[in-house]
Amino acid sequence: TQLLEQSPQFLSIQEGENLTVYCNSSSVFSSLQWYRQEPGEGPVLLVTVVTGGEVKKLKRLTFQFGDARKDSSLHITAAQPGDTGLYLCAQLTGGTYKYIFGTGTRLKVLA
Amino acid sequence: EAGVTQSPTHLIKTRGQQATLRCSPISGHTSVYWYQQALGLGLQFLLWYDEGEERNRGNFPPRFSGRQFPNYSSELNVNALELEDSALYLCASSSGLEAFFGQGTRLTVV
Repeated sequence: TQLLEQSPQFLSIQEGENLTVYCNSSSVFSSLQWYRQEPGEGPVLLVTVVTGGEVKKLKRLTFQFGDARKDSSLHITAAQPGDTGLYLCAQLTGGTYKYIFGTGTRLKVLA
Repeated sequence: EAGVTQSPTHLIKTRGQQATLRCSPISGHTSVYWYQQALGLGLQFLLWYDEGEERNRGNFPPRFSGRQFPNYSSELNVNALELEDSALYLCASSSGLEAFFGQGTRLTVV
């Protein structure tokens, strides 16, 4: 069974700090999505990465796809309270064609 | 363009009853996924429908079932509700690479 493991599981930081969260797979990703979910709401798609070594930026968020396509990272610069939420990585698994989600990183940014 | 819509937003049922949750995908999307998210936990894959057929299901008992209609909307049915079925049920639609989620249905079983 393909698993997506995220680390850290929980992160509490002060406003203005930088942070990185990680997503690792037991197998090669064909592509990978990052989502952010706020309490009681559905996850919102942030980015899709497809090519090994790819780097995408979304304002203060930087997403990187590992060269071997088995890992990905999300770096947030100068975190703000609005960044608080559950960050999830996900991938579409070949063959079974279902989306599987990582274990999640719960981020809290304190003002 | 409208996103994924789910109804109802909240649902309160008694143990042993049945619950029906509905999902309308983004126009043009033929795949619908259902997930269960218990409070404070991650997303657990329930069901995947594509082109009107059930393509895959997660590790849930048969009392979780559903269907997809010709217009690609979908329904999730949960029979013989148990207290541990209380969760946020999320629907997502996809046309291939990416999945887009609705706001969820909060099911509470009392």
